[in-house]
Amino acid sequence: NAGVTQTPKFQVLKTGQSMTLQCAQDMNHEYMSWYRQDPGMGLRLIHYSVGAGITDQGEVPNGYNVSRSTTEDFPLRLLSAAPSQTSVYFCASSRPIGQTNTEAFFGQGTRLTVV
Amino acid sequence: AQSVTQPDIHITVSEGASLELRCNYSYGATPYLFWYVQSPGQGLQLLLKYFSGDTLVQGIKGFEAEFKRSQSSFNLRKPSVHWSDAAEYFCAVGRTGFQKLVFGTGTRLLVSP
Repeated sequence: NAGVTQTPKFQVLKTGQSMTLQCAQDMNHEYMSWYRQDPGMGLRLIHYSVGAGITDQGEVPNGYNVSRSTTEDFPLRLLSAAPSQTSVYFCASSRPIGQTNTEAFFGQGTRLTVV
Repeated sequence: AQSVTQPDIHITVSEGASLELRCNYSYGATPYLFWYVQSPGQGLQLLLKYFSGDTLVQGIKGFEAEFKRSQSSFNLRKPSVHWSDAAEYFCAVGRTGFQKLVFGTGTRLLVSP
């Protein structure tokens, strides 16, 4: 099992450019989430999904879009990058609480710089 | 709204000494509670979790945490710190599960020889 795979690991964008951060998991988890991590602020939830075709907003959704067409993939789209979106982005996947050995598995992160 | 407070931004502990990292949460009911560790440039690894039942939970790497409802706290402890424990530690709460976690701002642990 590869777990949660995020690509790319590093990216530099110019203001106004768009891009997609990829996230894939091979554990057949129903739940997937995107977080951003900024210094001194911990991780904040951007969007999440409880299954294919179902997504919802988290704490800081503005400027980001998501879709979940398959169980395995949960891409995060930046529509028009802004310097305020410079951050480290983490994808996570999990099963519902109550299932055996449930926990959230995190990817290694994508470090995004917007100039 | 849920919130998590980790009052200590940095903590320095001598190797072999005991450790306690503080976490307080704000939530109307008992949430699910978690501690994660992040090494530099890495993702997050779950140390332990509390859903219900025994308020003292054991985790990996010799860590434990105690849930105290009256204090809305979930402090992380380790009796003897090793140099490899130097990392950033995050407390998190979830109302419905892992898909919507609220994280604290983290505590960076430094281990001195």
